[in-house]
Amino acid sequence: EDKVVQSPLSLVVHEGDTVTLNCSYEVTNFRSLLWYKQEKKAPTFLFMLTSSGIEKKSGRLSSILDKKELSSILNITATQTGDSAIYLCAVHSGSARQLTFGSGTQLTVLP
Amino acid sequence: KAGVTQTPRYLIKTRGQQVTLSCSPISGHRSVSWYQQTPGQGLQFLFEYFSETQRNKGNFPGRFSGRQFSNSRSEMNVSTLELGDSALYLCASSTWDSYGYTFGSGTRLTVV
Repeated sequence: EDKVVQSPLSLVVHEGDTVTLNCSYEVTNFRSLLWYKQEKKAPTFLFMLTSSGIEKKSGRLSSILDKKELSSILNITATQTGDSAIYLCAVHSGSARQLTFGSGTQLTVLP
Repeated sequence: KAGVTQTPRYLIKTRGQQVTLSCSPISGHRSVSWYQQTPGQGLQFLFEYFSETQRNKGNFPGRFSGRQFSNSRSEMNVSTLELGDSALYLCASSTWDSYGYTFGSGTRLTVV
């Protein structure tokens, strides 16, 4: 059974701090790893990482895929209160299109 | 362009009843997936539809079913509701060759 584990489960930081969120996976026939941000209800897409593209960056957010360690990190630099959200990691594996999600990391950024 | 639209946004039902949730995907997106989100289990895959056909199904009982119409709109149905069915039901759409799913805001179902 595919498994995705995120850590930490929750994190409280102050504005301006840099945070690193972790995601590890055990899946059969890995295809891609996705990061989503969920503020209230709808998760919003951040990044997709595949074996052919192991690093993505957008503004203050960046993500790296470590194929050897079967893991990924999401970095957020110079955090802002608007970064407060649940960050979800999901993996697509095998031939089916379904995503397996981790339990998420609740990030709280204090002013 | 308009995002993924889910209706209704909130529902309160009684145990034993049935419920139908609706999802209208982004225009041009023919793949619609459904997920259940609960505090204990996180996001779990229910099923995916493409071209009116169920392509994948998650590990949920037969009380959970769905369908997709020719305009790509999708509905999911839960029969004989149980308290444990209380959750946020999220719909996501994409093109068939993409995994960058766009999620709707969900339907919050409460079973009492």
